Formats: sequence, C-alpha cells, structure tokens
Amino acid sequence: GAVVSQHPSRVICKSGTSVKIECRSLDFQATTMFWYRQFPKKSLMLMATSNEGSKATYEQGVEKDKFLINHASLTLSTLTVTSAHPEDSSFYICSAGTSFQYFGPGTRLTVT
Amino acid sequence: TQLLEQSPQFLSIQEGENLTVYCNSSSVFSSLQWYRQEPGEGPVLLVTVVTGGEVKKLKRLTFQFGDARKDSSLHITAAQPGDTGLYLCAGARNNQGGKLIFGQGTELSVKP
Repeated sequence: GAVVSQHPSRVICKSGTSVKIECRSLDFQATTMFWYRQFPKKSLMLMATSNEGSKATYEQGVEKDKFLINHASLTLSTLTVTSAHPEDSSFYICSAGTSFQYFGPGTRLTVT
Repeated sequence: TQLLEQSPQFLSIQEGENLTVYCNSSSVFSSLQWYRQEPGEGPVLLVTVVTGGEVKKLKRLTFQFGDARKDSSLHITAAQPGDTGLYLCAGARNNQGGKLIFGQGTELSVKP
C-alpha cells in the first residue's frame, strides 16, 4: 500500500527556535497533502492543506505565519513551526492521497 | 459545531465482549473511512465505505455505512486486548480534494 513518511519522528527544541518537519509520499505523487495536530487521546485537528506549487490553505484559527508550509515537489511537503513555544508541543501528522488518505507516522514536537 | 459526532468517546470492556462505535452527521458524505491509531503512531486505515447501506467485514470487525450516507458504525465481536487503541471515523465530501472531517475518536481499552 501507499506509504507516507515523516521526519523527524521526535524533536526537542528550545523556545524561540524554529523546527522543520518533512512529509514524503514514498510511492506515489501527491499534489495535495494535509497537516494535522493531535493532542493526547484526542482526534486529529486539520491545520492546513498543502498544495504543490501554490500557497497552502489554512484552517480557521491557524496562524499561517507561525506554521509555514511549503510543498515544493509532488512528493514532499514541509511544515515549519516558527518561533516555537511550549504550547506548540504536540503530535503533528501529515497525510497524502485523494481517494484514500494515508497518514504518516507522526512527529512528536516538544518545546522546552 | 462538530460535523461528525462519534460515540462513545471512551470505552473500557473485558476481553470477549462485543462493542459498537457510532459516527453520525447531518451531512452526506461521499465516503467514510475508519482508522485505528496506537500511541505515538499515525492512524492506519481499516476500511473505506462508499455506498449507502454498504457492509464490510474485516475479521471480527464489521463496518456499516448508513443508507443515506450520513452515519456509520463499527462493530467488534469478541474484543481482544490487541484491539485496544484509538478508533477514528472520517468522512469525505465531493469536491473537497480529499479533505477529511474527523469524529472525536473512541479510546477503546480491552482488558484481559
């Protein structure tokens, strides 16, 4: 089946720094990818839709200048958390696909 | 407003018991997907239902899509400790580019 990877799987950063998370579709091309945020034992919250070659579409309440998304190729989307703060600590998950969504394994971000 | 109501949100049962998880909406979906997620990992697709009234079986799991394509259920027969996890339903609509609407999730714990 389709595989979506994320890197890194875990990252710890200091408050005020930026961190980049990569999402790759390994065996198919994805013109659209989705970024989610998940809190412990909660469902996924859609942050934004990443569109290859154009600007991302952000959900209401998500700061586009805080969460920068770049989808420069058909197999790679990146999410950069800028000037991270402890409240940005969370589990970030990407997905790709159109008929069916395949999810990456997630990235655990801890901001100290 | 939650567009896809999932219940129950927490369920703790003994091994061998049966259970049903429900997802309900006032909106029509073109398809509905069920995922299972373990801690620290991304959601894994269990099944996709697309036709009103459709029933799909996956070993001890039975998935049903409502006739009007507004609701779905997941029934597990003779639950086992290995079934423990977070179960998520997610609906897709036409012309949304693959964007999913998630239910709140059901945290299932099956005790031996």
